[in-house]
Amino acid sequence: KAGVTQTPRYLIKTRGQQVTLSCSPISGHRSVSWYQQTPGQGLQFLFEYFSETQRNKGNFPGRFSGRQFSNSRSEMNVSTLELGDSALYLCASSPQGAQINYGYTFGSGTRLTVV
Amino acid sequence: AQSVSQHNHHVILSEAASLELGCNYSYGGTVNLFWYVQYPGQHLQLLLKYFSGDPLVKGIKGFEAEFIKSKFSFNLRKPSVQWSDTAEYFCAVAQTGANNLFFGTGTRLTVIP
Repeated sequence: KAGVTQTPRYLIKTRGQQVTLSCSPISGHRSVSWYQQTPGQGLQFLFEYFSETQRNKGNFPGRFSGRQFSNSRSEMNVSTLELGDSALYLCASSPQGAQINYGYTFGSGTRLTVV
Repeated sequence: AQSVSQHNHHVILSEAASLELGCNYSYGGTVNLFWYVQYPGQHLQLLLKYFSGDPLVKGIKGFEAEFIKSKFSFNLRKPSVQWSDTAEYFCAVAQTGANNLFFGTGTRLTVIP
């Protein structure tokens, strides 16, 4: 079956712009989580959606937001981009969002570069 | 707040050498523990996980990890590494029942043929 699909794979934006990233989870998976990966910080949790509701949010400013649609696809949005937002943004889906022990399946990520 | 420490940032080994990557976490409650691997150009994949029971967990590709509760550690081991093990390895922790992971900063492993 198809894996987690993230689009676009690469993105270059200018400071001050906004960006929307998309994630299609594995069919049947209802939980989608987003992580930011940078060389110095590793992976940091952004937020998690389950059945169109945000259930958990990490410690990121309000410029970072997300949503989930009825088909479980998710988008995350970053407004007023800063240079420090340059990172690999990873999406992960899981079948039973309530418990992490079912495990995540990660997508390949969207590489965002802010110039 | 939970945190995960991976003390080795970059490890370089020759093929057939033994590997041990350290992982320590700070959380006093019940946790689930994971090791993920990211091969060059590929997405993160689950190597192994611990929830309960035998503290020695075996994963894919000959990897294993030992949970030592008293030391808050979950070190990853492999008796004999191969060139194909070159990758970045991430330790992660979740509170039991939670649905978000706390990751360490990763350890880059380079295996020299």
